[in-house]
Amino acid sequence: SQQGEEDPQALSIQEGENATMNCSYKTSINNLQWYRQNSGRGLVHLILIRSNEREKHSGRLRVTLDTSKKSSSLLITASRAADTASYFCATGAPGTASKLTFGTGTRLQVTL
Amino acid sequence: EAQVTQNPRYLITVTGKKLTVTCSQNMNHEYMSWYRQDPGLGLRQIYYSMNVEVTDKGDVPEGYKVSRKEKRNFPLILESPSPNQTSLYFCASSLGRQWGSEQYFGPGTRLTVT
Repeated sequence: SQQGEEDPQALSIQEGENATMNCSYKTSINNLQWYRQNSGRGLVHLILIRSNEREKHSGRLRVTLDTSKKSSSLLITASRAADTASYFCATGAPGTASKLTFGTGTRLQVTL
Repeated sequence: EAQVTQNPRYLITVTGKKLTVTCSQNMNHEYMSWYRQDPGLGLRQIYYSMNVEVTDKGDVPEGYKVSRKEKRNFPLILESPSPNQTSLYFCASSLGRQWGSEQYFGPGTRLTVT
């Protein structure tokens, strides 16, 4: 069964704007990860946040995690055309942290 | 270069003809996994392996087999492919840490079963 669900399903913004994607999940997690996928290609890991962490940064990426609401958000600041891709959240459950369950993704389009 | 390789990248086959998709990683990762990706459904896990000779079913294992005889290789076997197995397949590997670790993905294998 799908654990994570991203919102929105699709997002279109202009270059320079910020993009925010949300992920909700249903059961307890050990960690939550975000991945990017360019059209038809393999996924690339962006960031991992553990259940005892609330916020994490990596370059222009900011991830927050609210375990009480079972939700996470990915913020991409000052977006670029090269950020155009699909973004997936994936959750790892306690005891099976390596086994990730992916959501259906958010398609981000950044236009010039 | 650290990577996960898959072969073939593209495959068109007919119903019932056994096929194997190979997956190999050069990072000495313990954990390996197979996913399929279908429009609107995201990635769904088929099988995973925590280490050599240790494999387990994911969310959609029906119609697939795997083996893990060596740490670096994790082939996906379709004994009798059917059209509903037409999909984009990804192999992935990771260190398999207790608190989670990033997964490295292969480039994907696009399979069409007619």
